[in-house]
Amino acid sequence: TQLLEQSPQFLSIQEGENLTVYCNSSSVFSSLQWYRQEPGEGPVLLVTVVTGGEVKKLKRLTFQFGDARKDSSLHITAAQPGDTGLYLCAGDSGGYQKVTFGTGTKLQVIP
Amino acid sequence: DTGVSQDPRHKITKRGQNVTFRCDPISEHNRLYWYRQTLGQGPEFLTYFQNEAQLEKSRLLSDRFSAERPKGSFSTLEIQRTEQGDSAMYLCASSLGLGGGAFFGQGTRLTVV
Repeated sequence: TQLLEQSPQFLSIQEGENLTVYCNSSSVFSSLQWYRQEPGEGPVLLVTVVTGGEVKKLKRLTFQFGDARKDSSLHITAAQPGDTGLYLCAGDSGGYQKVTFGTGTKLQVIP
Repeated sequence: DTGVSQDPRHKITKRGQNVTFRCDPISEHNRLYWYRQTLGQGPEFLTYFQNEAQLEKSRLLSDRFSAERPKGSFSTLEIQRTEQGDSAMYLCASSLGLGGGAFFGQGTRLTVV
């Protein structure tokens, strides 16, 4: 069974602060996705990383895939209240393996 | 294509009743997933299909749950004899199955009273 552990589980910060969320596994994934979910809605795909060591930027969000394709991080610069939500990582091994979700990080950005 | 569509968005049912949810995936996606999610938690895998074949079903899924994807397009998830513990958000997602990630619908919120 593939498991993805996210840390921290909860994060409450002031507007303008920086933060990093981690997603770790002992399994290798062909790709890894990050999602953001707001209450009552489905998760929205933010990014897919495919290559070990890959870094992708989406405005104030920076995503990195580990060299061994087992872990990933999400860094948010100058957090804003609109960043509040549940952040989920998910690993896709391709083939007939299902997409595996992380445990989630609940972020609250206080104005 | 407007993405993954789920129907209904909300369902309130009495304990013991049967309910059925529908998911229409993105048209060219051959893989379809069902997840269950409770408040503040990550999605919990239920089952998934490659075209019309059900490839895996979670051991957490009791015999009261059944899913179908008869023609490899839309899928239905049925819960028989609902219990209060079935109250959750039921999410459907689809993907190409090529490692590019899955796209989610807006979910069906089930409340069993």
